[in-house]
Amino acid sequence: GQNIDQPTEMTATEGAIVQINCTYQTSGFNGLFWYQQHAGEAPTFLSYNVLDGLEEKGRFSSFLSRSKGYSYLLLKELQMKDSASYLCAVRGGAGNMLTFGGGTRLMVKP
Amino acid sequence: GAGVSQSPRYKVTKRGQDVALRCDPISGHVSLYWYRQALGQGPEFLTYFNYEAQQDKSGLPNDRFSAERPEGSISTLTIQRTEQRDSAMYRCASSLAWASGGVTDTQYFGPGTRLTVL
Repeated sequence: GQNIDQPTEMTATEGAIVQINCTYQTSGFNGLFWYQQHAGEAPTFLSYNVLDGLEEKGRFSSFLSRSKGYSYLLLKELQMKDSASYLCAVRGGAGNMLTFGGGTRLMVKP
Repeated sequence: GAGVSQSPRYKVTKRGQDVALRCDPISGHVSLYWYRQALGQGPEFLTYFNYEAQQDKSGLPNDRFSAERPEGSISTLTIQRTEQRDSAMYRCASSLAWASGGVTDTQYFGPGTRLTVL
């Protein structure tokens, strides 16, 4: 089976840096995705990791360690619009379906 | 370009009625997925298709739920004899590929259909 864990809520200050962690236990592994979801909207794709290491994309970076079953999403220079839920999702085994964590609700305060 | 579209956006029905939820994927996307999302939770996998073939339906809760994609494009998720516990946001996603091992497997989500069963 699949088990994805991430913190339920986090709070950070505008302009700061925040790291959202995700740990997973899966029967197979074929990639990890991060999505952003604003309240009432669809999840939107942020990043994809399949090999160990850091992937950087503007203010957002994502890190993966397959041996530790661990990933994090790093958000720099936080803006108020970054207040949203951040979903960690793992693709494991055959097929392309994703198993999602419960999401981390990030609140950015002035 | 146009993203994934779903209709209706909201559906209110009475217990025992059948409902059909429609998904129109991004043009050219081979794979189509159905998820269900409870408030405050991540999406939960239901079923998916490559072209018109249903590849995995292990996430469908019971035999009242079915899905089809007859021409490899638009898909319909049907729930028969709806029950109050079926109330949720139903999301559709599509991806260009499914086995590249790369970013072309990325799933793009539609706006969802909010189903309320009274």
